[in-house]
Amino acid sequence: KAGVTQTPRYLIKTRGQQVTLSCSPISGHRSVSWYQQTPGQGLQFLFEYFSETQRNKGNFPGRFSGRQFSNSRSEMNVSTLELGDSALYLCATRLLAGADTQYFGPGTRLTVL
Amino acid sequence: QKEVEQNSGPLSVPEGAIASLNCTYSDRGSQSFFWYRQYSGKSPELIMFIYSNGDKEDGRFTAQLNKASQYVSLLIRDSQPSDSATYLCAVRDNQGGKLIFGQGTELSVKP
Repeated sequence: KAGVTQTPRYLIKTRGQQVTLSCSPISGHRSVSWYQQTPGQGLQFLFEYFSETQRNKGNFPGRFSGRQFSNSRSEMNVSTLELGDSALYLCATRLLAGADTQYFGPGTRLTVL
Repeated sequence: QKEVEQNSGPLSVPEGAIASLNCTYSDRGSQSFFWYRQYSGKSPELIMFIYSNGDKEDGRFTAQLNKASQYVSLLIRDSQPSDSATYLCAVRDNQGGKLIFGQGTELSVKP
């Protein structure tokens, strides 16, 4: 069974631009969560989607948004990029919203210049 | 603010020794606890999860949970250089279901 895939793996953007990241879950997994990882703040939860609906949201500004499609693939968008948005963005998927075992994708490394 | 605390390390142990990694959490209502391993430049990999008080063993790994003390630990027996990584403790938020991560403990196993 294929694992979680994320595209692109690396991105370089400049301040003020926007970016869209994609996550394809493990086959059959319907819940997708997004996390931001930085050296200073560690892993922080952004949001979770299940059945195309946002179920949970972390403490990030509205510049961070996401969506989920009917095939469970998810995208997250960051608008008006800031230098502090440079991070590893990870998605994690699980079978159902209530399931506990959650598996991470390889991540997208975003650098904002 | 619900928190998960870990010693950042680095924790250095000789090959073959037992590595002990510790984690405390603030939300007394938490029910699910996880240990992830993250190699440098890679994404977190699930090692174990535990729900009930006591020990749970899987190969060289043992997770221990004490809900009264709000304490979770991970023991790695017969540590190998390939175990050198950052170990992340995570707790499932009892209300929203999100995972709250500690900052991670860096483990170094010396040959």
